[in-house]
Amino acid sequence: QVTLKESGPVLVKPTETLTLTCTVSGFSLSNARMGVSWIRQPPGKALEWLAHIFSNDEKSYSTSLKSRLTISKDTSKSQVVLTMTNMDPVDTATYYCARGAPSSGRFDYWGQGTLVTVSS
Amino acid sequence: SYVLTQPPSVSVAPGQTARITCGGNNIGSKSVHWYQQKPGQAPVLVVYDDSDRPSGIPERFSGSNSGNTATLTISRVEAGDEADYYCQVWDSSSDPLYVFGTGTKVTVL
Repeated sequence: QVTLKESGPVLVKPTETLTLTCTVSGFSLSNARMGVSWIRQPPGKALEWLAHIFSNDEKSYSTSLKSRLTISKDTSKSQVVLTMTNMDPVDTATYYCARGAPSSGRFDYWGQGTLVTVSS
Repeated sequence: SYVLTQPPSVSVAPGQTARITCGGNNIGSKSVHWYQQKPGQAPVLVVYDDSDRPSGIPERFSGSNSGNTATLTISRVEAGDEADYYCQVWDSSSDPLYVFGTGTKVTVL
């Protein structure tokens, strides 16, 4: 079955760089037109899409956060990595990775999410 | 950038019908997906491509999309339907690529 699992630090300091890893199983990151997104949700707030990487390694980023984000993948390890630079307390959120199904852009499988707190 | 607007809250009695709207400019030309999120859990896809249901999602969940409004309808509402609901679209020609709605809290009275 398809699963995704996020991993990374639970606490980062302001100005530090956050690195999150999404490990997937049940599908290959090289599957045609398949992709993985990172999505975050601050406590009590709405979902916010951050970045997406396609099977052909094409990438897309949130307009407002583009300068701080980098998404990459290691197909052999079945991992998608997100880095976010210059972290701020407002970046405190649960970060999810989700599989983007081909053609219609729906997220059909989600990880459980990982809460990242930004505090000194 | 593209904005999807949802009502903050919808209240409904058990057994009745809940309708959650998602407003966006010419949203009828896009495929709309809906997610249910219960407290402390990841979102779950309940309707995709405007009106299709993933396997395992009850027929009570249905969707429609036309003009500037998409709607998620929950028929015969149960206590277990109490959750936050988000609409979402994807547009390969827009920036950003993916957009989520503002979210609606459904309360079962």
